[in-house]
Amino acid sequence: DTGVSQNPRHKITKRGQNVTFRCDPISEHNRLYWYRQTLGQGPEFLTYFQNEAQLEKSRLLSDRFSAERPKGSFSTLEIQRTEQGDSAMYLCASSWAWDTEAFFGQGTRLTVV
Amino acid sequence: GIQVEQSPPDLILQEGANSTLRCNFSDSVNNLQWFHQNPWGQLINLFYIPSGTKQNGRLSATTVATERYSLLYISSSQTTDSGVYFCAVGGGRGSNYKLTFGKGTLLTVNP
Repeated sequence: DTGVSQNPRHKITKRGQNVTFRCDPISEHNRLYWYRQTLGQGPEFLTYFQNEAQLEKSRLLSDRFSAERPKGSFSTLEIQRTEQGDSAMYLCASSWAWDTEAFFGQGTRLTVV
Repeated sequence: GIQVEQSPPDLILQEGANSTLRCNFSDSVNNLQWFHQNPWGQLINLFYIPSGTKQNGRLSATTVATERYSLLYISSSQTTDSGVYFCAVGGGRGSNYKLTFGKGTLLTVNP
């Protein structure tokens, strides 16, 4: 297994454009998480999937953000009408169960210009 | 939600020195992990340690869940140990599956 994979690694976009990120979790993990990290801070929780069901969305996830996990496999995170404040590292993680070790991908660094 | 405090925020060492990083948390936890964030931003798993003591080479960790703290020990530090170390906990009241991170300790090891 190659671990959690995220694409793209870097994304530069103009303000107002839409962007989509992809996360492929470790194959036997049915829990998937998205986090966001800004400069000098620890990652902050955005949303959580158990299989294909999205069970929690943080208040950080405004209406411009949407996440999906069709068929309980890979997940996508879309940001519509990007703003400069969306610039951050977006991290995906997966785990076997809710109280087991979580593993993170390499992250997608988004820059909104 | 659960609060996580890491100390010290910054630490500068000479190669070969030992160090202790601390993580305090405000509620009972069922998950505690230590990570090292590399210069490219990836979080590297160091320990999954909701309680007890573990060792892996020059690194070891201890979590005293009843007193709500965890310690990460780095012995004989090397320049490659430089980076940000995060403690993350899961548990407490409410959503116990998500990890709450501290602000990290920035470790610099000079040759």
